[in-house]
Amino acid sequence: DVKVTQSSRYLVKRTGEKVFLECVQDMDHENMFWYRQDPGLGLRLIYFSYDVKMKEKGDIPEGYSVSREKKERFSLILESASTNQTSMYLCASSPYAENYGYTFGSGTRLTVV
Amino acid sequence: GQNIDQPTEMTATEGAIVQINCTYQTSGFNGLFWYQQHAGEAPTFLSYNVLDGLEEKGRFSSFLSRSKGYSYLLLKELQMKDSASYLCAVRKPRSGNTPLVFGKGTRLSVIA
Repeated sequence: DVKVTQSSRYLVKRTGEKVFLECVQDMDHENMFWYRQDPGLGLRLIYFSYDVKMKEKGDIPEGYSVSREKKERFSLILESASTNQTSMYLCASSPYAENYGYTFGSGTRLTVV
Repeated sequence: GQNIDQPTEMTATEGAIVQINCTYQTSGFNGLFWYQQHAGEAPTFLSYNVLDGLEEKGRFSSFLSRSKGYSYLLLKELQMKDSASYLCAVRKPRSGNTPLVFGKGTRLSVIA
């Protein structure tokens, strides 16, 4: 019954590596989002997409990029991983409707060493 | 600008009632959401308010006052499994694809 799938639960990468975090949803939702969650800071929006090949910056896009080639898949890319990108990354999707909230994936805990 | 405030931590006793408050100051408003997040897990949807008043869903209720920029989540008959973080999130007006802005969450501990 999994609806939003993130490819990795735990990930350890080295500083400077290019990192891909994948998210797939099977609910035919238009909107997809990437957040990071850090203690004391809550969820912060990195990027979101409301259509295939469309993307918009969130509050903290620096050091990240995204790709949405297909409706069901939204990828987050860390161009050159740094230790301050160690975090829990959460993907979410929602339909194009104001009264619908998000469905979240189970998260990827990324550690950059 | 946008600012969403919630208490950082709360403790309550099993079987009791607890109210978690959320105040917001945002440039526009188009709905407020509450999510529950157990440690190490993803947030799950609890409730949605867009009009003033109380929405009840089993043991959980959520209240909204738009004029005061205020909401609360009410949990009745607390159970140990209710120990979790509770996140308040606001959607600003634009359309159905506007991202949610989250508060930092309230960590609730239910004790025996």
